[in-house]
Amino acid sequence: QKEVEQDPGPLSVPEGAIVSLNCTYSNSAFQYFMWYRQYSRKGPELLMYTYSSGNKEDGRFTAQVDKSSKYISLFIRDSQPSDSATYLCAMRKGLTGFQKLVFGTGTRLLVSP
Amino acid sequence: GAGVSQSPRYKVAKRGQDVALRCDPISGHVSLFWYQQALGQGPEFLTYFQNEAQLDKSGLPSDRFFAERPEGSVSTLKIQRTQQEDSAVYLCASSPRTSGDTDTQYFGPGTRLTVL
Repeated sequence: QKEVEQDPGPLSVPEGAIVSLNCTYSNSAFQYFMWYRQYSRKGPELLMYTYSSGNKEDGRFTAQVDKSSKYISLFIRDSQPSDSATYLCAMRKGLTGFQKLVFGTGTRLLVSP
Repeated sequence: GAGVSQSPRYKVAKRGQDVALRCDPISGHVSLFWYQQALGQGPEFLTYFQNEAQLDKSGLPSDRFFAERPEGSVSTLKIQRTQQEDSAVYLCASSPRTSGDTDTQYFGPGTRLTVL
């Protein structure tokens, strides 16, 4: 069983929809949670990071962490065709020193005009 | 300024050949990471450098994989005697500091390796 589970999709939505992307994890030592966006033939780019449980908002994006359930989410409001990409969750065990990032498989999102 | 660059972007190798993949990190970045991304999967950690020191190589899948960063800037990932299971995108990332809670990793576009 992988440490981080993520539905690969694809998830198809119409423009303007609210999108919910999710990951579950098994290791309670994870403390630092990130969402990356990866366009085709490109490297991942960091969208948001959060520490511990709670919500964090940045424009149309909201990241949510529920450590008690080992569940994290990324919400995208007013989705646009340009949001079509693969969304990867990633997490690490500590804030100091080197701790490798552990990624989910990625969810492919398709936003149709 | 320029981001992380990788070369070549695409590499086709015959089984058993050796390959070398290059990463040019963002100038001045202390940390450098290599990841392997198989088709339909997320990136998997291979190795980490802090300047020229390789501090973690726990993700390298076998002793056929070797990475170096001799002058603390450019890095090379070498794969000896390539096998079909080595086919993947190899991503390089760099970050400006050694650690910290806002330690963003900036990824390059990757090298797509296909082993025939």
